[in-house]
Amino acid sequence: DVKVTQSSRYLVKRTGEKVFLECVQDMDHENMFWYRQDPGLGLRLIYFSYDVKMKEKGDIPEGYSVSREKKERFSLILESASTNQTSMYLCASSRDRSLFNEQFFGPGTRLTVL
Amino acid sequence: AQSVSQHNHHVILSEAASLELGCNYSYGGTVNLFWYVQYPGQHLQLLLKYFSGDPLVKGIKGFEAEFIKSKFSFNLRKPSVQWSDTAEYFCAVNTGFQKLVFGTGTRLLVSP
Repeated sequence: DVKVTQSSRYLVKRTGEKVFLECVQDMDHENMFWYRQDPGLGLRLIYFSYDVKMKEKGDIPEGYSVSREKKERFSLILESASTNQTSMYLCASSRDRSLFNEQFFGPGTRLTVL
Repeated sequence: AQSVSQHNHHVILSEAASLELGCNYSYGGTVNLFWYVQYPGQHLQLLLKYFSGDPLVKGIKGFEAEFIKSKFSFNLRKPSVQWSDTAEYFCAVNTGFQKLVFGTGTRLLVSP
């Protein structure tokens, strides 16, 4: 079974703090993704990566950056957290760029910014 | 811009009732369509997907979906729901190179 793990289930930070969210997948997948999930808005893509050291902006990249130094690990960085970044953050991975492949999701990190 | 619309935000059904959740997409190219489900406290998981061929797709737990190209729709159905189907359901379209666009989700509550 594919396993996608996220470093924290719950996180509370203060406005202005730098926040790191970590994601690890164990199936040698090429692609990794970061989404945020908000009630009534569904999932929105923040950033994604097709390979090590590669990154692409998603639909809502503002206020975020990412890092992929190793194939299995994809980090989401909030340089200066703000209250409007309070949300559920989901990491996902998929095998390759084939349109047919599904994405496998982690359990999510619920981030609260005070 | 590509978009996915799920018209029903909240659905309440009794056990054994039939279910149909609507999904319409806006995308002019070749589409690949997915339904994902998120059970309470669990991670998002794939219910079914359409890639090509037979427009009627069967998934896990008795769910199916029909792709109607002329209507830009991919509605999810189940003939008889169970209490354990209580969850949030998301429709998504793959617009290229694994970039998924999700709908806003439908919360289904099945009362025993």
